[in-house]
Amino acid sequence: QVQLMESGGGVVQQGGSLRLSCAASGFSFSTYGMHWVRQAPGKGLEWVAIIRYDGTNIYYTDSVKGRFTISRDNSKNTLYLQMHSLRAEDTALYYCAKDQGWAYYFDLWGQGTQVTVSS
Amino acid sequence: EIVLTQSPGTLSLSPGERATLSCRASQSVSNNYLAWYQQKPGQAPRLLIYDASSRATGIPNRFSGSGSGTDFTLTISRLEPEDFAVYFCQQYGSSPPWTFGQGAKVEIK
Repeated sequence: QVQLMESGGGVVQQGGSLRLSCAASGFSFSTYGMHWVRQAPGKGLEWVAIIRYDGTNIYYTDSVKGRFTISRDNSKNTLYLQMHSLRAEDTALYYCAKDQGWAYYFDLWGQGTQVTVSS
Repeated sequence: EIVLTQSPGTLSLSPGERATLSCRASQSVSNNYLAWYQQKPGQAPRLLIYDASSRATGIPNRFSGSGSGTDFTLTISRLEPEDFAVYFCQQYGSSPPWTFGQGAKVEIK
């Protein structure tokens, strides 16, 4: 079954750290770019980060640069997002998403993992 | 960064009616690299349209996308009960960050 499954979310204090994981199955994970997209409560979608199929060409949205690190382990079919110095505005449902390989739209999404940053 | 503005914010229609959603970009979207997604409460977004007008796999043909440059449209020809949801546009024609519109809700009248 083709799917993405996120885990690792939770409640963390401001300034804290969290590591999200996204397990992929049913497709050739190592041949696609992967992304993190977040959605604050009752809000729209915000693209967060990309990592190319081979672990290169990593980009972040400005608000998380220097605090978040995206990585992947193709041997484990798993995507990661290491988050440090968390802020209240990072509170959101974090989705991992697969791109098409040659275009950066998202044809497969996970169900999301909730990150809540408390003060 | 390209800003996408969707209108209207909410569309109140009855099943069987036609829905027309607009997505306007602050600058031209290269190669018309624009996608549309549907999101229902408690669910992840689902890809409907890519490259402005190509339907994703398994998407019914009542969904269609059109437009170019800065103006794009998602049309649902005849609303089914399962189509009442929030719709987002997304551009991927520029360098990152790739951006989404703020969303447009299609609700039952």
